[in-house]
Amino acid sequence: EPEVTQTPSHQVTQMGQEVILRCVPISNHLYFYWYRQILGQKVEFLVSFYNNEISEKSEIFDDQFSVERPDGSNFTLKIRSTKLEDSAMYFCASRGEEEKLFFGSGTQLSVL
Amino acid sequence: QKEVEQDPGPLSVPEGAIVSLNCTYSNSAFQYFMWYRQYSRKGPELLMYTYSSGNKEDGRFTAQVDKSSKYISLFIRDSQPSDSATYLCAMSALQGAQKLVFGQGTRLTINP
Repeated sequence: EPEVTQTPSHQVTQMGQEVILRCVPISNHLYFYWYRQILGQKVEFLVSFYNNEISEKSEIFDDQFSVERPDGSNFTLKIRSTKLEDSAMYFCASRGEEEKLFFGSGTQLSVL
Repeated sequence: QKEVEQDPGPLSVPEGAIVSLNCTYSNSAFQYFMWYRQYSRKGPELLMYTYSSGNKEDGRFTAQVDKSSKYISLFIRDSQPSDSATYLCAMSALQGAQKLVFGQGTRLTINP
């Protein structure tokens, strides 16, 4: 079965540093998402992306966050200047025409 | 009042038991309801998707939605040890699984 691939599985960074989380969505999918899950808390929506632009974003997704689809296969989430509270598991998801979201296994981001 | 409430458990039942998992919600704009299963260190995996009140069955899984009471349930029949996971309810006001709002997740263990 096709799957969403995320790299790295674990990223450790210093506060204030920039990080880029990478995702390869399922190849024929057109809708892309980032969610995050802080330890012990709910999975939270960050942003949705379609047709090379953001279609919806949450209050969490402030100016420190950006998303990009730099080529036909990758979808990235950039955090410009990480804070301690950005430590979380970040999930990429994609979907095709069906209303079924496929999630990746996540990138555990630890900000020290 | 939280937008989506789900008892985090943990819930432990013997193999073969019927499991009932529930969520309540406060936002009457939610029209699309999903149940996800999440194994440790993995992303959420969609089990059930529904958008109307009533029951939807898929194998050993039945999803039930009561929009008048703002209450959804997932029933697992003939539970197996492999069903041990965290179960997340999720809902959206937007078609296409856009901007999902998740419950806390219920940690379920099926004992052989």
